This record gives sequence, structure tokens and C-alpha cells, in this order.
Amino acid sequence: SAVISQKPSRDICQRGTSLTIQCQVDSQVTMMFWYRQQPGQSLTLIATANQGSEATYESGFVIDKFPISRPNLTFSTLTVSNMSPEDSSIYLCSGHRDSPYNEQFFGPGTRLTVL
Amino acid sequence: TQLLEQSPQFLSIQEGENLTVYCNSSSVFSSLQWYRQEPGEGPVLLVTVVTGGEVKKLKRLTFQFGDARKDSSLHITAAQPGDTGLYLCAGGYSGAGSYQLTFGKGTKLSVIP
Repeated sequence: SAVISQKPSRDICQRGTSLTIQCQVDSQVTMMFWYRQQPGQSLTLIATANQGSEATYESGFVIDKFPISRPNLTFSTLTVSNMSPEDSSIYLCSGHRDSPYNEQFFGPGTRLTVL
Repeated sequence: TQLLEQSPQFLSIQEGENLTVYCNSSSVFSSLQWYRQEPGEGPVLLVTVVTGGEVKKLKRLTFQFGDARKDSSLHITAAQPGDTGLYLCAGGYSGAGSYQLTFGKGTKLSVIP
């Protein structure tokens, strides 16, 4: 399995500020994703992080609010911009490998609280 | 968009009891993955099933992929308090150079000592 780390693990931020979350994978993955999750609930896909090009965003998520970078195969960042209390959530980074199976692994998450 | 119905949403049982969680869809998946998540942690991959009718066992956990690759079940025998957590099924779809994972809503399991 791939080991995925995220920084920070948690943060408390003021309204109107921005936070950048870093994700590092210990081995190459074909795809990287960013998800959002409310405690105890399922995951909502924010976007697919594409290496060297703009991320692919899901409906309801836009680049201005959630800019994403992926400069290489094992590293990605997600920025939550101009935060409001509604952005309080757990943000999860995920990596996908297609060999030997299509499998997806998750980081430990970043718990964000916006005051 | 492929939908994956997971049930039950909540389950509270006594230690030693058996339980089954179901995931159903009208769509065919190329793979089906089960995750377990504990509070404050990310989902941990338990198993991936890829062949219709496939059964995989992981100690007291038995995973089955439906023959048509549209549904799956997770059966836990003699549940223990350490099994408590959020269980998520996720159907994988690959095609035309893309990959997509669809999550069920999750089953919150509590095993009471």
C-alpha cells in the first residue's frame, strides 16, 4: 500500500484567511485526489490533481476557492481560500494506483476549523 | 454519475454478534473497495475485489463481490469493540484513460462490550 502524509493535521483559522494543505505520497501514484468529509459522513470529491496542469474540479468546487498544485508524481497541495465557517471540515488527500489493482489510499486528513 | 447505496447507515450491536453491511448499485464497477475509518484518521483500505463472485476473507471479515459486479457485502463474525468505526464501500470505474471512485454513504458501526 502507499503511505500518504498530510500537513498540517489540524488548524484553526480566521474567516477570510487562506490555508494550504500539503500531501506527500511515499511512492508514485497515477492519480491524486482531494476530498472533503464531515465527521462521521462519507467523502465528497473536490478535484483530481493533475501533474503539471490544472486540476479537474467536481461540480460545486472552483479553482479560485480551492487552488490545487501537483508539481510532481508524489506531491500535491490544496489551498482553501478566503475561508468561511462553512469550510470547516476534514480535507483528505488520496492517491490511486492501477497496478496490480485499481486501488486508492488516503492520507490521515487535515481537520480545519474556521472561526 | 454512478450511485452506490450502502446500508444500514447505523448499526449498534453487542460484542460477539454477527453483522452484514451491503452496498448496491445499478452500475457495473471494475473494482469494489472497502474502507474502515476511525475518528481523526483517514480511511484505511481493507480489501479490493475485482472479479464477479469473488470472496475475500480478512480474519473475521468476509467480503463478497456480486456476480454482476454491481453489489458487495461485508460480513463480520463475532464482532469485537475494536471493530467499531465507519465502514465505507467504494466502487471503482476505469475507462478511456480515466478513473473514478464512487463512495457509499458509510455505515457507522458501534460494538458494545
